[in-house]
Amino acid sequence: NAGVMQNPRHLVRRRGQEARLRCSPMKGHSHVYWYRQLPEEGLKFMVYLQKENIIDESGMPKERFSAEFPKEGPSILRIQQVVRGDSAAYFCASSPSVAYNEQFFGPGTRLTVL
Amino acid sequence: RKEVEQDPGPFNVPEGATVAFNCTYSNSASQSFFWYRQDCRKEPKLLMSVYSSGNEDGRFTAQLNRASQYISLLIRDSKLSDSATYLCVGLMDSNYQLIWGAGTKLIIKP
Repeated sequence: NAGVMQNPRHLVRRRGQEARLRCSPMKGHSHVYWYRQLPEEGLKFMVYLQKENIIDESGMPKERFSAEFPKEGPSILRIQQVVRGDSAAYFCASSPSVAYNEQFFGPGTRLTVL
Repeated sequence: RKEVEQDPGPFNVPEGATVAFNCTYSNSASQSFFWYRQDCRKEPKLLMSVYSSGNEDGRFTAQLNRASQYISLLIRDSKLSDSATYLCVGLMDSNYQLIWGAGTKLIIKP
């Protein structure tokens, strides 16, 4: 049973471009969580999704950021018109239910904005 | 004030020594707490849950003091492989939203 998969592992974008980060949850998991980690900081909750629904996006910036988890395929975190401050590690976690102790983390995507 | 605060370190500790660090939290509504370990440029991994009664897992002991709102982690007989950043994490009432400290960096020296 493969763990949570994220791709790409590293992504470089120039200011103003779009970044698309993908997360494939563990098999059987229908709950996905996205976190952002800036250098020398802890992780910050961004958004919680279930299949086809955004449950809580309170941690996600209102502009330029969006997330989806379609019925088929991976969850996508999309950042439009990236700025240097978006440079960070973005981690995805999944769980089979909403209970915390079942969140499993992917290896992360490191976004660098030039 | 941050909801979960930790001393960033680094803590430089000789191999075999005992090391302890704390974490304080401001939201008394936080339900549960955890210690995660994060190696450089890797994802965080759950180390252990933290209970008021204290819990031990091998060389690791965690304690939660709700009255003083702090969490502690004690590592005995430290190994070189214990070198990592240790993240203190609280679980909010929502039951899924994790609040993370910035981490304490631990360096074990031979």
